Amino acid sequence: DAGITQSPRYKITETGRQVTLMCHQTWSHSYMFWYRQDLGHGLRLIYYSAAADITDKGEVPDGYVVSRSKTENFPLTLESATRSQTSVYFCASSEGVRYEQYFGPGTRLTVT
Amino acid sequence: QQQVKQSPQSLIVQKGGISIINCAYENTAFDYFPWYQQFPGKGPALLIAIRPDVSEKKEGRFTISFNKSAKQFSLHIMDSQPGDSATYFCAASLRTGTASKLTFGTGTRLQVTL
Repeated sequence: DAGITQSPRYKITETGRQVTLMCHQTWSHSYMFWYRQDLGHGLRLIYYSAAADITDKGEVPDGYVVSRSKTENFPLTLESATRSQTSVYFCASSEGVRYEQYFGPGTRLTVT
Repeated sequence: QQQVKQSPQSLIVQKGGISIINCAYENTAFDYFPWYQQFPGKGPALLIAIRPDVSEKKEGRFTISFNKSAKQFSLHIMDSQPGDSATYFCAASLRTGTASKLTFGTGTRLQVTL
């Protein structure tokens, strides 16, 4: 199926564990983004990538790691999960100079 | 620091009425202002967007009004329908280095009643 997909859709993990959220897009978009969505905060940018092997921090990068070895994939890793990282995570992509970002369906992560 | 302030937090409108959501921004370097619509369990989707050199943009029942001097913009939904019930986010885009980054408002939950 074409578009942007995220996996898993739901994840429960324990404090201190490493967890990776996956994002895959089939449009060959240059830009990809990770956001977290929390009540009262809207969506906040965690990391973004302008192309394969080019990543940069967003507004709330602490505790997260990203990589982008292939254009279509942009995984987000929580190296040592904390309860404050309980959130809904959205991946997005865009063609680049055009501003529209297309969002995936989200991953609901609970850290116990 | 919240660079884009959105109000109200929630809104109830009768079918056929006008829904109005307001946003204010601080950074005059923002150069693009989109509105996103999000249904429960889904990701946000672009609804309508405006650039600061335009004071109004209309697409069907949805209109953005933009006031550059006041650093405010608003979304008007005419003839609101139950299917419009969703959460709406305003955003502002800033071109920095290699990307255009979006700063979102905190969202408005709209409920359209019969």
